[in-house]
Amino acid sequence: KAGVTQTPRYLIKTRGQQVTLSCSPISGHRSVSWYQQTPGQGLQFLFEYFSETQRNKGNFPGRFSGRQFSNSRSEMNVSTLELGDSALYLCASSLGDTDTQYFGPGTRLTVL
Amino acid sequence: SQELEQSPQSLIVQEGKNLTINCTSSKTLYGLYWYKQKYGEGLIFLMMLQKGGEEKSHEKITAKLDEKKQQSSLHITASQPSHAGIYLCIVRGGSNYKLTFGKGTLLTVNP
Repeated sequence: KAGVTQTPRYLIKTRGQQVTLSCSPISGHRSVSWYQQTPGQGLQFLFEYFSETQRNKGNFPGRFSGRQFSNSRSEMNVSTLELGDSALYLCASSLGDTDTQYFGPGTRLTVL
Repeated sequence: SQELEQSPQSLIVQEGKNLTINCTSSKTLYGLYWYKQKYGEGLIFLMMLQKGGEEKSHEKITAKLDEKKQQSSLHITASQPSHAGIYLCIVRGGSNYKLTFGKGTLLTVNP
């Protein structure tokens, strides 16, 4: 089975712009979670989707949003980018919301 | 909320040496995951431990869960440069099954 894929792998944006990141889960997985990883804060949970419904949400501002499509693919959007949004964004998929999560390679976002 | 403390924060060993990484929880551990991350890349699932006393091995990596100590250990035997990376312990818990992450242990293996 193919693993979790994320596109793009690298992205450079400027402050104020918006960005959309994409995640394709492992075939058959219905749960997709998003995480932000920075050197200072480590891994932080953004949100989790299961069957197109947001099940959990982390403590991030409303500029961070996401959605999941009927084929389980997920996108996350960050609007009005700030310098502090520079991070590695990881997506993970699992069969159900309590099962082992398998991570994608991440999208490295740099905000200038 | 549950917190995970990993020790050591970083570790440098010579190839061929054994090493142990610990993960201590502030609350009772009902299950725990170990992942490995190469710098700037995604997390690779290593093992899941589901009950106290459980021990699992994969190649040269062994993980144990000590429920009483609220601790898990990851032991690598005869380390190799390919073992280098960041090791993270993760638990899923609470009413919403959110993941809680350790800060990670950076392992360097010198040839």
